[in-house]
Amino acid sequence: DTEVTQTPKHLVMGMTNKKSLKCEQHMGHRAMYWYKQKAKKPPELMFVYSYEKLSINESVPSRFSPECPNSSLLNLHLHALQPEDSALYLCASSQQGGTEAFFGQGTRLTVV
Amino acid sequence: AQSVTQLGSHVSVSEGALVLLRCNYSSSVPPYLFWYVQYPNQGLQLLLKYTSAATLVKGINGFEAEFKKSETSFHLTKPSAHMSDAAEYFCAVSNFGNEKLTFGTGTRLTIIP
Repeated sequence: DTEVTQTPKHLVMGMTNKKSLKCEQHMGHRAMYWYKQKAKKPPELMFVYSYEKLSINESVPSRFSPECPNSSLLNLHLHALQPEDSALYLCASSQQGGTEAFFGQGTRLTVV
Repeated sequence: AQSVTQLGSHVSVSEGALVLLRCNYSSSVPPYLFWYVQYPNQGLQLLLKYTSAATLVKGINGFEAEFKKSETSFHLTKPSAHMSDAAEYFCAVSNFGNEKLTFGTGTRLTIIP
């Protein structure tokens, strides 16, 4: 099983809403990632969790709050987002840093 | 420090023709190199990877890439393009123990019937 599952697939939220994106993998991978991808651009790294601890935060605004409840799950909590935060949010996992990353199908987020 | 340059943001080839997508990398340590494909409104799928074993790497869907250290290149090829190959292709670089995967800007491949 080389699958990373993301829910929901689509999300529309207002600027005052609180929502969460969820990601799950059962490959025993120890690193998990959140990426943001705008149209016609490559993915931009947001956060990395290694062994369930936050190891990289790419200076992401605090309205994005990651959480890693266990080695299989990764959440991204969203609060007070701006329209410019609308994008495809991708979760990925890898066995360890540097090895190939497996990506989920993404959550298409629209902030209105 | 590491970086990737993909030459050509758009490439068009005829169905059945050779596909060549270019990728050059910069890395201060031995690199790991990857090619990913992305179809519209989907995630990224790994096509192939180079992690310091064989320099000619074969991937899925008939794609292959050759690591050339002297040219710092990792170009992606496929002998005969198929309509289903139309997608966005990303080259990426990392290295052992480095959790940051650095992507190129991507190449959109169009297949002409």
